[in-house]
Amino acid sequence: QTVVTQEPSFSVSPGGTVTLTCGLSSGSVSTNYYPSWYQQTPGQAPRTLIYSTNTRSSGVPGRFSGSILGNKAALTITGARADDESDYYCVLYMGSGNWVFGGGTKLTVL
Amino acid sequence: EVQLVESGGILVQPGGSLRLSCAASGFTFSSYWMSWVRQAPGKGLEWVANIKEDGSEKYYADSVKGRFTISRDNAKSSLYLQMNSLRAEDTAVYYCARDYPMDVWGQGTTVTVSS
Repeated sequence: QTVVTQEPSFSVSPGGTVTLTCGLSSGSVSTNYYPSWYQQTPGQAPRTLIYSTNTRSSGVPGRFSGSILGNKAALTITGARADDESDYYCVLYMGSGNWVFGGGTKLTVL
Repeated sequence: EVQLVESGGILVQPGGSLRLSCAASGFTFSSYWMSWVRQAPGKGLEWVANIKEDGSEKYYADSVKGRFTISRDNAKSSLYLQMNSLRAEDTAVYYCARDYPMDVWGQGTTVTVSS
């Protein structure tokens, strides 16, 4: 069974830039997997940041951007702020209606 | 305002059954696939099931196949998840989400399976 991989944790300095990635245990991520990215803080529902690789959801600031980097999907946050400290999840479409989430990345801003 | 509101989560014994509901508003419900996604305590997100606009196609995660049934009532703009043969590992917050892509989420409803 294919596993979607994410960095378990990442750290960024305030004002800095960070790129989180979303890969496959076997194979490469392409736009055909329609990667999406979500931000979640404790006790809250996920907030959609990016869908279909690089489309920013309504109200999401331009500091968040999505792309394909090499064989992975990527979420780049520029000008990191303290309130960006959250869990970030990616999800990939595997076909036949099935979506698979990555394990999430815990982002620390310090 | 586009909104999804889940309900129906409770404490249920192992082996029991439960039906979750999700009420949609602010968009044309019948024009969208819909999904259920869950999150066990302290764990990540897990896609559970989804259903086509007209209900003619349904897909399930292997972990719930044969036990859970997704359905919808477009006249009521509502999504449902019938959960049977519940296990402790089904304990989670259950979210409904507008699908393809999953761009709108509800606030979730908590299901606890315990004796």
